[in-house]
Amino acid sequence: NAGVMQNPRHLVRRRGQEARLRCSPMKGHSHVYWYRQLPEEGLKFMVYLQKENIIDESGMPKERFSAEFPKEGPSILRIQQVVRGDSAAYFCASSPSIAGGYNEQFFGPGTRLTVL
Amino acid sequence: TQLLEQSPQFLSIQEGENLTVYCNSSSVFSSLQWYRQEPGEGPVLLVTVVTGGEVKKLKRLTFQFGDARKDSSLHITAAQPGDTGLYLCAGSSNTGKLIFGQGTTLQVKP
Repeated sequence: NAGVMQNPRHLVRRRGQEARLRCSPMKGHSHVYWYRQLPEEGLKFMVYLQKENIIDESGMPKERFSAEFPKEGPSILRIQQVVRGDSAAYFCASSPSIAGGYNEQFFGPGTRLTVL
Repeated sequence: TQLLEQSPQFLSIQEGENLTVYCNSSSVFSSLQWYRQEPGEGPVLLVTVVTGGEVKKLKRLTFQFGDARKDSSLHITAAQPGDTGLYLCAGSSNTGKLIFGQGTTLQVKP
């Protein structure tokens, strides 16, 4: 049973370009979460999605960032017009459910975005 | 705003020593997870604690959830160089997102 998959593992973009990060959750998981980890910092929540729905985007910057989890295919985190401050590791996690507060999230290997 | 304070931030010890990492908050969490992260990789789930006062053991690692479900600790007995890594605690809110502590970087020297 494959774990959470993310690609690409490394992504280099120049300022002003777009970055697209992909995440395939574990089989049977319908909840997807995106987190960002800046150097020497902990992980910060960005957005929580279920199939075709955004449940909580309270951690996502209001501009340039968007996320989707279509009915078919992986979840996509999209960053438009990237700036140097967007350089970070972006992690995707998935869980089967959050029923009863038992919210075990399993993480992918991350995408390391470098903005030149 | 829910926050998790994790301490210490850095810990360097000799092989065979014991250590404890603490995770504290003024907020109540529905569950709390401990993760370990290696450089260049994603966090790997070690344990989930749900019930106040719960204690779970994983070989030489002992995890405890506070009675009020606001704090947790990770105790490692007889640490080994293979335990070296970044340890993260994360509280689960009712909305689904995880609130992470700042992490504890552990170095175990042979």
